[in-house]
Amino acid sequence: DGGITQSPKYLFRKEGQNVTLSCEQNLNHDAMYWYRQDPGQGLRLIYYSQIVNDFQKGDIAEGYSVSREKKESFPLTVTSAQKNPTAFYLCASKRKRTDSNQPQHFGDGTRLSIL
Amino acid sequence: AQSVTQLGSHVSVSEGALVLLRCNYSSSVPPYLFWYVQYPNQGLQLLLKYTSAATLVKGINGFEAEFKKSETSFHLTKPSAHMSDAAEYFCAGTLMGGYNKLIFGAGTRLAVHP
Repeated sequence: DGGITQSPKYLFRKEGQNVTLSCEQNLNHDAMYWYRQDPGQGLRLIYYSQIVNDFQKGDIAEGYSVSREKKESFPLTVTSAQKNPTAFYLCASKRKRTDSNQPQHFGDGTRLSIL
Repeated sequence: AQSVTQLGSHVSVSEGALVLLRCNYSSSVPPYLFWYVQYPNQGLQLLLKYTSAATLVKGINGFEAEFKKSETSFHLTKPSAHMSDAAEYFCAGTLMGGYNKLIFGAGTRLAVHP
């Protein structure tokens, strides 16, 4: 079955450490997204990518970085510059960014906590 | 600013009762709208979507939603709640302009009690 795989499910970060969250999709989708979810705040867009080797900042990109070297993969790095990284991170994809009437498909998320 | 608003962060119903989760959007152009459900520590699963083909949209698990342009609303309903419906529900919309951004409401947590 096609879908989005996020790993790991749980991740712990020490002060000053960078961590990378994995997101892989086998849906052959062009567009991929990273969201941060905090209680009571819904989902906020961190970064998105329309196509390989392209990505754009979302609403809360500070302290995060991404790459899109392969169509299937869109890893997110939470850097030490992100002072409040504890959250639930969700990766999503869509066939094409310009398909406004199509839904995004979501992975099962990674929960990041500070040690 | 364009927005999606969910009225009520928590809703509690009895098993078998009507479920009504409210969603309003702000846009001068009718948007594309979606309802998602999230179970604890899981991702979002699409319940249904409005894409202008019909104002009453039926989704999975017995849920449906009605698009009302005059009220800028897209409320989610289910005639009879099951215990398994307890989850968090998100309304989202692709509001026109910009880069076709998907904007989420803050979510409504539905509790179902016996």
